[in-house]
Amino acid sequence: DIVMTQTPLSLSVAIGQSASISCKSSQSLKYSDGKTYLNWVFQSPGQSPKRLIYQVSKLDSGVPDRFSGTGSETDFTLKISRVEAEDLGVYYCCQGSYSPYTFGAGTKLELK
Amino acid sequence: QVQLKESGPGLVQPSQTLSLTCTVSGFSLTSYHVHWVRQPPGKGLEWMGRIQNGGSTDYNSALKSRLSISRDTSKSQVFLKMNSLQTEDTAMYFCTSDFDYWGQGVMVSVSS
Repeated sequence: DIVMTQTPLSLSVAIGQSASISCKSSQSLKYSDGKTYLNWVFQSPGQSPKRLIYQVSKLDSGVPDRFSGTGSETDFTLKISRVEAEDLGVYYCCQGSYSPYTFGAGTKLELK
Repeated sequence: QVQLKESGPGLVQPSQTLSLTCTVSGFSLTSYHVHWVRQPPGKGLEWMGRIQNGGSTDYNSALKSRLSISRDTSKSQVFLKMNSLQTEDTAMYFCTSDFDYWGQGVMVSVSS
């Protein structure tokens, strides 16, 4: 199974600052169709998860452009510019290239 | 609009079988994959398995001996059955359509 390693596991930021989360996979996530199925999922406390980004860098509908995803093969990054209060919660990377799908452990974004 | 809703018992006894239903609306089960994801209290997300739009299934390696996912397309329902439940299976159980839409989740406690 592919192991997804997120760092850091906890991140303290002030409102208006930027934040960056790394996700590394134990093998390349580039699928045979040439696409890379790496998702970023966000969960605020007490809520259902919500996907923010799919295929590494494509923003889901309604997601502010303060969020961006980059990376390829095994190394991926989620960046949030100008963090807002509503961004506080847990971010997970999730690979959907190869079954069984796997999540990272999650990164908790907290207020400094 | 797209909606998913999980239903099932809130309490299951150890060694018994868990049966959950995910009822979807706004899309056809023959067009999208549906996944089950669970989250133990205070912990991260765990991908359990999926039923693909064509009806094939994939499972988490650690759960595949106990887990079965099926569907009734005429009722727009996806079913999860997992046997030999233990206290470690206490969790919130979510269904999701390829991680873009999620249900509200159903909390399942395993206790005698």
